[in-house]
Amino acid sequence: QLQLQESGPGLVKPSGTLSLTCFVSGASIDTGHYYWGWIRQPPQKGLEWIGHINHSGTTYYNLSLKSRVTISIDTSKSQFSLNLGSVTAADTAVYFCVRVTLDRGDPAFDSWGQGTLVRVSS
Amino acid sequence: SYELTQPPSVSVSPGQTASIICSGDKLGDKYVSWYQQKPGQSPVMVIYEDSKRPSGIPERFSGSNSGNTATLTISGTQAMDEADYYCQAWDITTVVFGGGTKLTVL
Repeated sequence: QLQLQESGPGLVKPSGTLSLTCFVSGASIDTGHYYWGWIRQPPQKGLEWIGHINHSGTTYYNLSLKSRVTISIDTSKSQFSLNLGSVTAADTAVYFCVRVTLDRGDPAFDSWGQGTLVRVSS
Repeated sequence: SYELTQPPSVSVSPGQTASIICSGDKLGDKYVSWYQQKPGQSPVMVIYEDSKRPSGIPERFSGSNSGNTATLTISGTQAMDEADYYCQAWDITTVVFGGGTKLTVL
């Protein structure tokens, strides 16, 4: 059974870099059938897509975050990571890692991690 | 940028049919997915490719998409279906989510 587990600091200082890792178990991350991505949800608000990556490193990013975001993948460790730079309080959110399915070319998110709350505060 | 619009809230009586709409320009030309999120939990996909149900999702969940509107329909709504629901689509290399609809079963 596929499991995704986020890990990383729960508190980041303003102007710093938010770094999270998602460990994937129960399925191979090294497959061309899926992408692996990040979605966030500010407290009491809706979902915001951050971006996703495939096993060969092809990435798609939310244009509003693109200048600050890097998503990388390490298939040997079955994990992928998110780096978000120059953070502000507006980046405070629950961050979910997800598996992205593209059966017909359009992405959908069929498995989600439990989410991790990251606060940006001094 | 592309936008998806959902009503903030929908109410339904137990056993009745709930319909949650998602509107966007020429949305019928795109595939729409729907996610259910209960308080304190991660979202769960309940519909993908407009009308397909993932394994384990009850048959009372169905979807359609045509023109500028996609609809999530819950037949015979149960108390356990009370949750936030989000639609999602893909537009020119960008994922877009609707703002979410809170479904109240009362």
